[in-house]
Amino acid sequence: AQSVSQHNHHVILSEAASLELGCNYSYGGTVNLFWYVQYPGQHLQLLLKYFSGDPLVKGIKGFEAEFIKSKFSFNLRKPSVQWSDTAEYFCAARSYNTDKLIFGTGTRLQVFP
Amino acid sequence: NAGVMQNPRHLVRRRGQEARLRCSPMKGHSHVYWYRQLPEEGLKFMVYLQKENIIDESGMPKERFSAEFPKEGPSILRIQQVVRGDSAAYFCASSQTGRDTEAFFGQGTRLTVV
Repeated sequence: AQSVSQHNHHVILSEAASLELGCNYSYGGTVNLFWYVQYPGQHLQLLLKYFSGDPLVKGIKGFEAEFIKSKFSFNLRKPSVQWSDTAEYFCAARSYNTDKLIFGTGTRLQVFP
Repeated sequence: NAGVMQNPRHLVRRRGQEARLRCSPMKGHSHVYWYRQLPEEGLKFMVYLQKENIIDESGMPKERFSAEFPKEGPSILRIQQVVRGDSAAYFCASSQTGRDTEAFFGQGTRLTVV
């Protein structure tokens, strides 16, 4: 079955620390990959996406992610987090075979000033 | 261009009643996904629909839950005879096509069963 795994459930950082959140997906073949962010009390917003081409993808607010096909991974990174990055982060994948968009369980990020 | 619209935002139902959640996709979008979000459990896929067709309902409970996306009007997620365990936030997302396009999310409907 298709699945997306996020291994970090809760991450606590101080401002200016670097961030890396792990994401792995289970299926082979062509996939679309996404990172979404959900700020407290709000809906999901797209941070960045990968469809094809350059595996290093840059998104909004200084976030980037790298698609490593051999590792089935799409980790999210930010060199220096801010207090305003406190939110829940979701990785998602859509297989070309099914078009079904599947999410990981999310990572709660808390950034302290 | 309005975003994905979900209504109501909050819905309170007594056990045994029916809940109807509506999702109007963005203009030009013909693909809709429904998800359920519970605390500490992330977003659980429920159903994927295109206009007048259910493409994948593998995440829907077999009983009491149904979804539709008619040719005209919003997508509807219907929960019959609600139970306390149905209390959750339900989100819908829409996209132009099934692949190589991003999905946009609505604000969600928070269902509380009392």
